[in-house]
Amino acid sequence: RKEVEQDPGPFNVPEGATVAFNCTYSNSASQSFFWYRQDCRKEPKLLMSVYSSGNEDGRFTAQLNRASQYISLLIRDSKLSDSATYLCVVNMGTGYTGFQKLVFGTGTRLLVSP
Amino acid sequence: DGGITQSPKYLFRKEGQNVTLSCEQNLNHDAMYWYRQDPGQGLRLIYYSQIVNDFQKGDIAEGYSVSREKKESFPLTVTSAQKNPTAFYLCASSINREWTEAFFGQGTRLTVV
Repeated sequence: RKEVEQDPGPFNVPEGATVAFNCTYSNSASQSFFWYRQDCRKEPKLLMSVYSSGNEDGRFTAQLNRASQYISLLIRDSKLSDSATYLCVVNMGTGYTGFQKLVFGTGTRLLVSP
Repeated sequence: DGGITQSPKYLFRKEGQNVTLSCEQNLNHDAMYWYRQDPGQGLRLIYYSQIVNDFQKGDIAEGYSVSREKKESFPLTVTSAQKNPTAFYLCASSINREWTEAFFGQGTRLTVV
């Protein structure tokens, strides 16, 4: 089983649609979780961190379910500019040193069309 | 401007040659990382360093070497022992604390010719 698993997509949606991405992770001791966005042939950039209570940033909502080892990202009112690959990232480092061993999923590609 | 800089952006290597990829950061971050990305795969950790003069192997370190002589710099050498080096290489840095963002350089595309 992969340490971090995502549906590779692509997800093709029209502008204005709501789309949800899911991600599962294998290490129950993982402490911190993130969603990164990667545009074609570019470096990944942090979209948002995922907290236990869930968090929202504008049109984006992230949820964490520790019991099921599951993370989600919801994008409402999709824009053309949301087209990108969304990477689920889990920190599997040793917490006492602060070291972040970031393990990346393969990413889910989103294509938003007019 | 603070950031992390990788060079070159594109690199071509002949079979049997060693090549070194540069990574420099001026963010005053202690931790630095090298990842490799292949099409259809996620980023895989090659090497990481939490402090100057110390570094550790990641999941796919075979055929690679690194050094960390300065806080700002973490060069990666792709040796001839790396059997399939063609990939997109990404360098990142972060503070040594959980929940902090990892900043990435723009990457180096290495192609073996």
